[in-house]
Amino acid sequence: EIVLTQSPATLSLSPGERATLSCRASQSVSSYLAWYQQKHGQAPRLLIYDASNRATGIPARFSGSGSGTDFTLTISSLEPEDFAVYYCQQGDNWPLTFGGGTKVEIK
Amino acid sequence: QVQLVQSGAEVKKPGASVKVSCKASGYTFTGYGIGWVRQAPGQGLEWMGWISGYNGNTNYAQTLQGRVTLTTDTSTSTAYMEVRSLRSDDTAMYYCARGRYNGNYYFDYWGQGTLVTVSS
Repeated sequence: EIVLTQSPATLSLSPGERATLSCRASQSVSSYLAWYQQKHGQAPRLLIYDASNRATGIPARFSGSGSGTDFTLTISSLEPEDFAVYYCQQGDNWPLTFGGGTKVEIK
Repeated sequence: QVQLVQSGAEVKKPGASVKVSCKASGYTFTGYGIGWVRQAPGQGLEWMGWISGYNGNTNYAQTLQGRVTLTTDTSTSTAYMEVRSLRSDDTAMYYCARGRYNGNYYFDYWGQGTLVTVSS
């Protein structure tokens, strides 16, 4: 099973700041990585697929990069609605797995 | 527009079974998969399984294999997830999601979630 490790667990930032979230895989997943945002009490929402492609309707301030085992989700300038929990998910091998999540909170 | 509408909350006793439905609309059901993901209270996301809308082929998480069955009814564009022999640690929000495959398996639209509570 591929283990995804997200860091940091919590990121405390102010609106307007840049957020950099990391996801590391225990073995290569090529570019088969997705990122999701989950707000409290809501279902997850797809942000990024194939490591760097924004999903439909996702603002340009969200970007993804990386391949192999190291991936990054960047939010260029945090908006108030971006404070949430973010999960990465690998889609390269069964079983599909999620990372433990990074909470982006208001400083 | 793509929508996945799940059945309502359930309360079950330990040892019982639960079956959650997920009705899809706004797209061709047989052209995509359906994934199931659960989230225990205050915890992260746990992938449970995947079923092809095209041919019904399934993949399950090893931790749940033998207790979970995924099925579809293509005539009504509905997917089902059944969990048997429920335990207290099965208490969670259960989500269905539309599965995409392009070499990469991921989920682009999600249902609203179904809360399953297991309690004696």
